[in-house]
Amino acid sequence: KNEVEQSPQNLTAQEGEFITINCSYSVGISALHWLQQHPGGGIVSLFMLSSGKKKHGRLIATINIQEKHSSLHITASHPRDSAVYICAVLPDSGYALNFGKGTSLLVTP
Amino acid sequence: DAGVIQSPRHEVTEMGQEVTLRCKPISGHDYLFWYRQTMMRGLELLIYFNNNVPIDDSGMPEDRFSAKMPNASFSTLKIQPSEPRDSAVYFCASSLQGIRQFFGPGTRLTVL
Repeated sequence: KNEVEQSPQNLTAQEGEFITINCSYSVGISALHWLQQHPGGGIVSLFMLSSGKKKHGRLIATINIQEKHSSLHITASHPRDSAVYICAVLPDSGYALNFGKGTSLLVTP
Repeated sequence: DAGVIQSPRHEVTEMGQEVTLRCKPISGHDYLFWYRQTMMRGLELLIYFNNNVPIDDSGMPEDRFSAKMPNASFSTLKIQPSEPRDSAVYFCASSLQGIRQFFGPGTRLTVL
C-alpha cells in the first residue's frame, strides 16, 4: 500500500471553478510538498508545509498533521492550471520524498 | 542560477547497451536525489546523496543500476545493461539541508 494517497486521480473543471485536491498519508512526516508537473514534464515545487496553511496567488495549501491530511485548493481556475499535481511527504526518518500517484487536472475554457 | 541541469534530455538506446545519465545540482546544495517516473508506478526514489556520500540506495532496482557522485557538482546514474523495462523519465533533484527540493528537467529514456 502506498504511504501517500491522492484523490481524485483525474479531475476536469470549467474555467473559474474552485478546485480541491486531497492527500492522505500514513507515516510521520517532517514536511509535505505539493508539486506541479506540466505536460512538458518539468516538476515545480508549489508549496512545502509542516503545519497550517500557505497561500500563493490563487493557490492555497492546508495541512492537518493530526489527521495526516492535506488539501490543495485552486480558486478561479484557469486552463493554464491544467497539469498533474503531486503530493509528496518527507518522512520523519529521512530526506527522500515519498510521492502520491498524482492528480491530473484539466481546466476547460 | 541555472537550476539543476540534466543531460541528455532524451536518450534512445537498444537493449543491452550501457546508458549514462548526468546531473549537475544547484551550486551549494548538499543533497542530491535520483528519481524515476513511469506511468505505472509514478515517481520513485532511486538513491540520494548527502555531501557526495550515498545515503539511501534502497530504491535502486538491481545491480544493473549504479550511481556516483565524484564531487559536489556532478552525479551520474548508469544502467548496464539496459532493458526495455528501464524506459522512464529520470529526474535529478537537489536541495540544501534536505528541505525544499529543486528538480531538473528530466531525461526521457527509451530502451528498444
